[in-house]
Amino acid sequence: DVKVTQSSRYLVKRTGEKVFLECVQDMDHENMFWYRQDPGLGLRLIYFSYDVKMKEKGDIPEGYSVSREKKERFSLILESASTNQTSMYLCASRPLLRQMNTEAFFGQGTRLTVV
Amino acid sequence: AQSVTQLDSHVSVSEGTPVLLRCNYSSSYSPSLFWYVQHPNKGLQLLLKYTSAATLVKGINGFEAEFKKSETSFHLTKPSAHMSDAAEYFCVVTPYSSASKIIFGSGTRLSIRP
Repeated sequence: DVKVTQSSRYLVKRTGEKVFLECVQDMDHENMFWYRQDPGLGLRLIYFSYDVKMKEKGDIPEGYSVSREKKERFSLILESASTNQTSMYLCASRPLLRQMNTEAFFGQGTRLTVV
Repeated sequence: AQSVTQLDSHVSVSEGTPVLLRCNYSSSYSPSLFWYVQHPNKGLQLLLKYTSAATLVKGINGFEAEFKKSETSFHLTKPSAHMSDAAEYFCVVTPYSSASKIIFGSGTRLSIRP
């Protein structure tokens, strides 16, 4: 069974803390994604990576950075957490475009609260 | 530019009655189309996907969707709703032109009345 695993289901952090959200996939997928999900705003892409050490900004990258040192792991970093980053964070992975109809696989989500 | 529009933000049906969740897409080429379901505080699970092999696609839990190119639609249906179907549903398109874009609809929350 394919798996995308996010390291935490729930996190509570203080304003100003550096926060790491980890995501690991076991499907050897090239593409990995980080989204945040907020009521009324749907899923918004923060960053994605199409290969090791490669990354591209999504629609809302401000306040975030990412790291992909190994193919299976994609980390989202909140450099200095703020209360407006309280959200549900979803990681996803997907193979390359040559398999056009291959779906993305999602982790179970991390609900982050910044206090 | 590719886009996907879910026409209803909230749909409420009675248990045992049909479900219709509407999705329209905009794409220059034949897109890849998917429906995902998200139960509360969970990740997204694939319901079904359009692979161009057939216009009527069957998915899990009795759901199906019909691809209509002339209407640029990919509506999700189920003949008889069950209480466990209450969730958020997302229509998703992967454009032909981009290796890494996944475009989400805004979601439809499905409520089931007893």
